[in-house]
Amino acid sequence: EPEVTQTPSHQVTQMGQEVILRCVPISNHLYFYWYRQILGQKVEFLVSFYNNEISEKSEIFDDQFSVERPDGSNFTLKIRSTKLEDSAMYFCASRTLGGGLAKNIQYFGAGTRLSVL
Amino acid sequence: GNSVTQMEGPVTLSEEAFLTINCTYTATGYPSLFWYVQYPGEGLQLLLKATKADDKGSNKGFEATYRKETTSFHLEKGSVQVSDSAVYFCALIQGGSEKLVFGKGTKLTVNP
Repeated sequence: EPEVTQTPSHQVTQMGQEVILRCVPISNHLYFYWYRQILGQKVEFLVSFYNNEISEKSEIFDDQFSVERPDGSNFTLKIRSTKLEDSAMYFCASRTLGGGLAKNIQYFGAGTRLSVL
Repeated sequence: GNSVTQMEGPVTLSEEAFLTINCTYTATGYPSLFWYVQYPGEGLQLLLKATKADDKGSNKGFEATYRKETTSFHLEKGSVQVSDSAVYFCALIQGGSEKLVFGKGTKLTVNP
């Protein structure tokens, strides 16, 4: 069964460093997402991406964050200068363009745990 | 704004026990409602969904009914198995938005 793949599973970085989290969405999917879950808190939406541009973003997704689909298969989340409070599990998701029963079903990866020291 | 409130865990049950995990929501309009499940080391997987009032979503013996009058979407299973041990997330999506809004998650442990 096709799945969303995220790498690495755990990333450790120093405060102030840039990190790039990588995701390979399901191959025929056209909508892409990033969510995060700080330990003990809710899963929070960060951004959605369609047709090579951001379609929706939350207030969390400030200028420190950016997303890119560099090569038609990968979807990346960059954090320019990490802060301690960026430590969280980051989930990538994707969905097909279709309507009907497929509408709004987002498929998630296993997540990347980011630890900022 | 939209929000989802889920029963706090953790929940520990014996095999074959009845499961209920409560979920209520606040939303403008008529959202679609979801239950996602996360098994250890894996991503969030869609368990079931309902898109309008009185719809019942079901999958793998789990059921949830979209109750508009009580703004609820409680998850139930008649007889849980050890393999059902996981974290369960209730979520909603509002029409016109791409954003899934999640509850905090409820960790279920089923003992043999």
